[in-house]
Amino acid sequence: EAQVTQNPRYLITVTGKKLTVTCSQNMNHEYMSWYRQDPGLGLRQIYYSMNVEVTDKGDVPEGYKVSRKEKRNFPLILESPSPNQTSLYFCASSLLSGEPEAFFGQGTRLTVV
Amino acid sequence: QKEVEQDPGPLSVPEGAIVSLNCTYSNSAFQYFMWYRQYSRKGPELLMYTYSSGNKEDGRFTAQVDKSSKYISLFIRDSQPSDSATYLCAMRTNDSWGKLQFGAGTQVVVTP
Repeated sequence: EAQVTQNPRYLITVTGKKLTVTCSQNMNHEYMSWYRQDPGLGLRQIYYSMNVEVTDKGDVPEGYKVSRKEKRNFPLILESPSPNQTSLYFCASSLLSGEPEAFFGQGTRLTVV
Repeated sequence: QKEVEQDPGPLSVPEGAIVSLNCTYSNSAFQYFMWYRQYSRKGPELLMYTYSSGNKEDGRFTAQVDKSSKYISLFIRDSQPSDSATYLCAMRTNDSWGKLQFGAGTQVVVTP
């Protein structure tokens, strides 16, 4: 089954404790991206990647890091989480030549206390 | 001011009615226009996308783009309770393949 898998689905952590949210897709897609979704603000892009070792900032990259060492994986790293990073996070992927952002993961609800 | 504006709703309609959703935008360089559906506790799923102006139809769904007015619409005919969800519009320019701008989403409730 074609899918984008995020882990964990739910996470509560404390300020300053480094964490990683994993994202994996099984469709051989070149393009992957991360979004955060907040009430009234919709989806805002954090980072995206057009291929292995190629990443670029979205609209709200501050406080986040990403890496793309393999085509299927695109982890989101929060080096020192803060309460304003409490949000619902989505990973997405697609073929560069196909439909835009065709597949989203199920989401990761992160709470930073 | 946001680049993409979308009324958050909720928009409540009786089953069988036509649902009309829209977004306005400020960046005249946007060329790709998408509509996503998001059920509660789920990730968005791509419903339709169009390039530049015009209409596109897929089953009960019709997407329209009016670039002169910077206005896009999604119509859902013969609405069903299963259409109850949040609908998000998104758009991007020709040369920014990776960078999508989303609207805030409109919550739709279809009552039996």
